[in-house]
Amino acid sequence: EVQLVESGGGLAQPGRSLRLSCAASGFTFDDYAMHWVRQAPGKGLEWISGISWNSAITSYADSVKGRFIISRDNAKNSLYLQMNSLRAEDTALYYCAKGGGNWIYFYMDVWGKGTTVTVS
Amino acid sequence: QSALTQPASVSGSPGQSITISCTGASSDIGGYTFVSWYQQLPGKAPKLMIYDVGKRPSGVSDRFSGSKSGNTASLTISGLQAEDEADYYCSSFTSSVTWVFGGGTKLTVL
Repeated sequence: EVQLVESGGGLAQPGRSLRLSCAASGFTFDDYAMHWVRQAPGKGLEWISGISWNSAITSYADSVKGRFIISRDNAKNSLYLQMNSLRAEDTALYYCAKGGGNWIYFYMDVWGKGTTVTVS
Repeated sequence: QSALTQPASVSGSPGQSITISCTGASSDIGGYTFVSWYQQLPGKAPKLMIYDVGKRPSGVSDRFSGSKSGNTASLTISGLQAEDEADYYCSSFTSSVTWVFGGGTKLTVL
């Protein structure tokens, strides 16, 4: 069974940093692109970052570009999101999502349950 | 990276069909076949319902179908059931090598 488990969320002060992790299992992790998507309380989904299977391509939404860094460790079947210079508007539930293929243009086909980040 | 435009809400009676529209631009929906739709039940993670405009993942009911014309994509749910009541989001790959979501549509089954 494909499974994605996010961790690392919590309470952070504005301007501070947090690092989210996503542990993947049940599939060949290094065959697929991965994404981070967030959802502010009571709001819709917002794609924030994606990374190709080999880390050659990373992409970010304008709202987090220059502050967040996506990375992956294929040996550890893990995806990461380094979140710097946090702002109140970064408060959200952060989902890790598996791509449907190896490049970022593939859809997100499996999602984790999310980890909550609160900036206050 | 403007969000795609979806109606805030739609409703229908059991057995009826409904269609949710998703309007973007030539730089996203109009330029690619990488359009997907997600269902989100209250308190749950999103679930992929349609990918690549009109393809259904294994296990998704054939009552769900997707299409695209120009800069607008559509999700149609036929034979509406109470269990279909949820929020639905469209998403498209963009020319900026990013993804963009719609604002979401709340489906109410009357």
